[in-house]
Amino acid sequence: GDSVTQMEGPVTLSEEAFLTINCTYTATGYPSLFWYVQYPGEGLQLLLKATKADDKGSNKGFEATYRKETTSFHLEKGSVQVSDSAVYFCALTSGGYNKLIFGAGTRLAVHP
Amino acid sequence: GAVVSQHPSWVICKSGTSVKIECRSLDFQATTMFWYRQFPKQSLMLMATSNEGSKATYEQGVEKDKFLINHASLTLSTLTVTSAHPEDSSFYICSAIPSSGSGRGETQYFGPGTRLLVL
Repeated sequence: GDSVTQMEGPVTLSEEAFLTINCTYTATGYPSLFWYVQYPGEGLQLLLKATKADDKGSNKGFEATYRKETTSFHLEKGSVQVSDSAVYFCALTSGGYNKLIFGAGTRLAVHP
Repeated sequence: GAVVSQHPSWVICKSGTSVKIECRSLDFQATTMFWYRQFPKQSLMLMATSNEGSKATYEQGVEKDKFLINHASLTLSTLTVTSAHPEDSSFYICSAIPSSGSGRGETQYFGPGTRLLVL
């Protein structure tokens, strides 16, 4: 079945460091890809998405490009802030029914 | 916009009792809502898809008689954990997809979650 694999955390960075969180997927068909973020004590929020190959999703300085050839959707940010500390989930829609399949989540901790 | 609320935010109950969790879309209508379960430091696992006016669709391995879902209106879905046991303790999260307006499509908007502890 469809699945999402994320790099294990936690990822610990200093403020202003470059961030990459790897995400690869396995899917039949042409899924849409998402990154969700969960801040401490809050629900999941959509960070960005891409609906077809070579699309780049971006929001709040974060970017991810839908790479069909490598089945990847890596999340990047050029300069992280303490306020970016959260758990990041990569996800895809499966089966054309808007069902989301999530990766395990990657915890990011940014220190001043 | 696109705010989803859940009530209660946390609940403690005795083993054998039933617990109802509400999921509301506050500023949009949602034909489809989803219920997830999240164990500590793990990902979200889809439990069921809730469709307004029809029966919910459960994922493989989820007991439909134990996790009763009712989507009675376009803004409310409820999950009832019947005869709860300690192993049902978890974080339950709902999401909703707007069925009209600019937010219509495939993006799911998530509630803040409900933490259930069964003693």
